[in-house]
Amino acid sequence: GQQLNQSPQSMFIQEGEDVSMNCTSSSIFNTWLWYKQDPGEGPVLLIALYKAGELTSNGRLTAQFGITRKDSFLNISASIPSDVGIYFCAGQLLSGNTPLVFGKGTRLSVIA
Amino acid sequence: DGGITQSPKYLFRKEGQNVTLSCEQNLNHDAMYWYRQDPGQGLRLIYYSQIVNDFQKGDIAEGYSVSREKKESFPLTVTSAQKNPTAFYLCASSPRVKNSPLHFGNGTRLTVT
Repeated sequence: GQQLNQSPQSMFIQEGEDVSMNCTSSSIFNTWLWYKQDPGEGPVLLIALYKAGELTSNGRLTAQFGITRKDSFLNISASIPSDVGIYFCAGQLLSGNTPLVFGKGTRLSVIA
Repeated sequence: DGGITQSPKYLFRKEGQNVTLSCEQNLNHDAMYWYRQDPGQGLRLIYYSQIVNDFQKGDIAEGYSVSREKKESFPLTVTSAQKNPTAFYLCASSPRVKNSPLHFGNGTRLTVT
């Protein structure tokens, strides 16, 4: 199936630091989504992006839909311990009626 | 409260046995999905259904089967043909397949020994 390249694979940061992660693809997407998964739970939607260039915030989280439609990034400002988890990007291909494509996730660890 | 319910949370089976994982949603969503999650592998699509009585294979359908007899329910059977069935299984739903965020259940951890 289609691939989304999500990076970094894992991050260890100090509490209070800002975090940035991104997803790229060779295909064009018309929707980008960012999810967070806590251990042993299902992923929860953080931010949804539907237009190229769109920049959306949700509290300390900010995500952008790349203008080429082939990438997206997620920033977390002033990280706190509860930010720990796995962050997934997901994209909807422009063509066809196919399910979302998911990245492999970024595992975030926050050191207090 | 609307949501997706997966049961049980933990499931243990002996090798060679078929096992069925339950997924129920009361969100009135047309589309439902099953994903498998292994460490470092992300979410891999097993099967999805766009409407009742219809379903399509995902990227890793071999060794699995599904049914969609009711809009609310999308059970997944892990058959004895699945070579590595031990994993975390996630069910999800969305209003439709195209341009709809997925809502996930809290998963079932299956251990086969």
